[in-house]
Amino acid sequence: EVQLLESGGGLVQRGGSLRLSCAGSGFTFSSYAMSWVRQAPGTGLEWVSAISGSGGRAYYADSVKGRFTISRDNSRNTLYLQMNSLRAEDTAVYYCAKEPTVTTGSGAFDIWGQGTMVTVSS
Amino acid sequence: QSALTQSASVSGSPGQSITISCTGTSSDVGSYNLVSWYQQHPGKAPKLMIYEGSKRPSGVSNRFSGSKSGNTASLTISGLQAEDEADYFCCSYAGSSTFAVFGTGTKVTVL
Repeated sequence: EVQLLESGGGLVQRGGSLRLSCAGSGFTFSSYAMSWVRQAPGTGLEWVSAISGSGGRAYYADSVKGRFTISRDNSRNTLYLQMNSLRAEDTAVYYCAKEPTVTTGSGAFDIWGQGTMVTVSS
Repeated sequence: QSALTQSASVSGSPGQSITISCTGTSSDVGSYNLVSWYQQHPGKAPKLMIYEGSKRPSGVSNRFSGSKSGNTASLTISGLQAEDEADYFCCSYAGSSTFAVFGTGTKVTVL
């Protein structure tokens, strides 16, 4: 079964840091681009960051550029999101998500994790 | 990176067809045939319903179909069923600098 399992969420003070992890299983992890998508309470989905299968290319939303860093360890089938200088508006459920096809990235997501909550207190 | 525009809510009776629209720009929806659609029930992760504009993943009912005209993509749900009541989001690839942008979301109510 194809699965993604996030961890690392929690409560952090404004200006603090947090690292999220996402463990993939049931598929050839290194073949697929991966993304982080977040959803603030009661609102819609916001794409945050993406990384190619090899890890050679990374993409960021303007709202997190310069503060968040996406990375992956294909030997561990794990995706990461390092979040620094956290703001109240970063409070959200963070999902990791897999692309449906083997491409450099198409902005579509067929498998989602269960999400991990990040709360930034002010 | 402005969100794609969706109507806030759409409703229909069981068995009817409804269409949800998703309006972007020539930099996203209009430039790529890479619009995807997601269904989200309360407290659950989103589920992919359509990708690359009109392709259905394995296991998704053929009652769901996608199309595009210009800068506007559409999701049609035919034979509306109670379990279709959920939030629906579109998403478009937007190039290597912006990558992806989601829609504002549409709440579908089955009357």
